[in-house]
Amino acid sequence: TQLLEQSPQFLSIQEGENLTVYCNSSSVFSSLQWYRQEPGEGPVLLVTVVTGGEVKKLKRLTFQFGDARKDSSLHITAAQPGDTGLYLCAGGAGGSQGNLIFGKGTKLSVKP
Amino acid sequence: DTGVSQDPRHKITKRGQNVTFRCDPISEHNRLYWYRQTLGQGPEFLTYFQNEAQLEKSRLLSDRFSAERPKGSFSTLEIQRTEQGDSAMYLCASSLVGGRAFFGQGTRLTVV
Repeated sequence: TQLLEQSPQFLSIQEGENLTVYCNSSSVFSSLQWYRQEPGEGPVLLVTVVTGGEVKKLKRLTFQFGDARKDSSLHITAAQPGDTGLYLCAGGAGGSQGNLIFGKGTKLSVKP
Repeated sequence: DTGVSQDPRHKITKRGQNVTFRCDPISEHNRLYWYRQTLGQGPEFLTYFQNEAQLEKSRLLSDRFSAERPKGSFSTLEIQRTEQGDSAMYLCASSLVGGRAFFGQGTRLTVV
């Protein structure tokens, strides 16, 4: 069974701080996706990482895919209150179905 | 708005009642997915359609749950004889084959 474990589960920081959240698995994934979800809304895709060792940047967010394609990290520089939300990582379940396996998420709160 | 649309956004029902949710995918998307998300968890895959064919069902989808996509466009998810454990956010997503999934805003079900 493929599982994705995210840590930390909760993170509360002050505006301007940096943070890193992690997504780990014992299984290899062909790709991993990061989503951000706000209360009462559906997840919104931030990025997809495909190649082992890949680093992608989205403004103040930096995403990295592990060399072995079993783990990923999301680093936020100079966090802002607008970054508050639930950050989910997800990997393909394999085969041709296209359905995703999600981690439990990291709930980030950035205080002004 | 051409995103994924779900209706209703919120539903409160008494235990034992039947409920039906609707999802309208992005019009050209041939794949449609249903996920369930409970508090503190990431979304869990329930089932998916390619066009009108239901190709995969999770073990989470008990016999009280049924999903349809009769004309390969909108989909409905029905829960019969609801239980308190069915309380969750029900998310719909759509995609092209091999493409990224776009999520709707979800239907929040509360069973009292």
